[in-house]
Amino acid sequence: EDQVTQSPEALRLQEGESSSLNCSYTVSGLRGLFWYRQDPGKGPEFLFTLYSAGEEKEKERLKATLTKKESFLHITAPKPEDSATYLCAVVDQTGANNLFFGTGTRLTVIP
Amino acid sequence: KAGVTQTPRYLIKTRGQQVTLSCSPISGHRSVSWYQQTPGQGLQFLFEYFSETQRNKGNFPGRFSGRQFSNSRSEMNVSTLELGDSALYLCASRKRWGGTYNEQFFGPGTRLTVL
Repeated sequence: EDQVTQSPEALRLQEGESSSLNCSYTVSGLRGLFWYRQDPGKGPEFLFTLYSAGEEKEKERLKATLTKKESFLHITAPKPEDSATYLCAVVDQTGANNLFFGTGTRLTVIP
Repeated sequence: KAGVTQTPRYLIKTRGQQVTLSCSPISGHRSVSWYQQTPGQGLQFLFEYFSETQRNKGNFPGRFSGRQFSNSRSEMNVSTLELGDSALYLCASRKRWGGTYNEQFFGPGTRLTVL
């Protein structure tokens, strides 16, 4: 069965203090790894898709990377508006085609 | 382009009742998936519909069901509600089912409270 583990569960950063969130996965053939951002009371907002080891994607202060066992979401010089829960999800090659989510990292950026 | 819309946004029901939630996908998206989100279990896949046919189903009891209409809009139904069904129900749409995976875009969710 697919497993997705995100760490840490919660992270508090000072504004401008860069850090990384981790998503480690065990899947039977990775078809894609997805990062979402979720604000309280709202649906997840799509950030990135990564398909193969070595791939990197960037968007503003966020950069996602992928290896054969894990993905990192690097946050450079975060601002308070980056505070949210960041979710990692995978799709495997079984054909089920649905997203299998980790439990998320709750990020708080303090001004 | 309008995003995924879900109605109602909030719902309060009592145990034993049934409920129907509605989802309109992004224009041009033909696949709709439903997820349940709770603090304890996180986001869990319920089912996915494409071309009015259920394509995948998660590990939920038969009380949870859904359907999709010819315009790609979808509904999910929960019968005989239990306290544990209280959750945020999220709908997500994508362009197609099968083939190279394409990203899912989520709606704002329906917050269901069962008393």
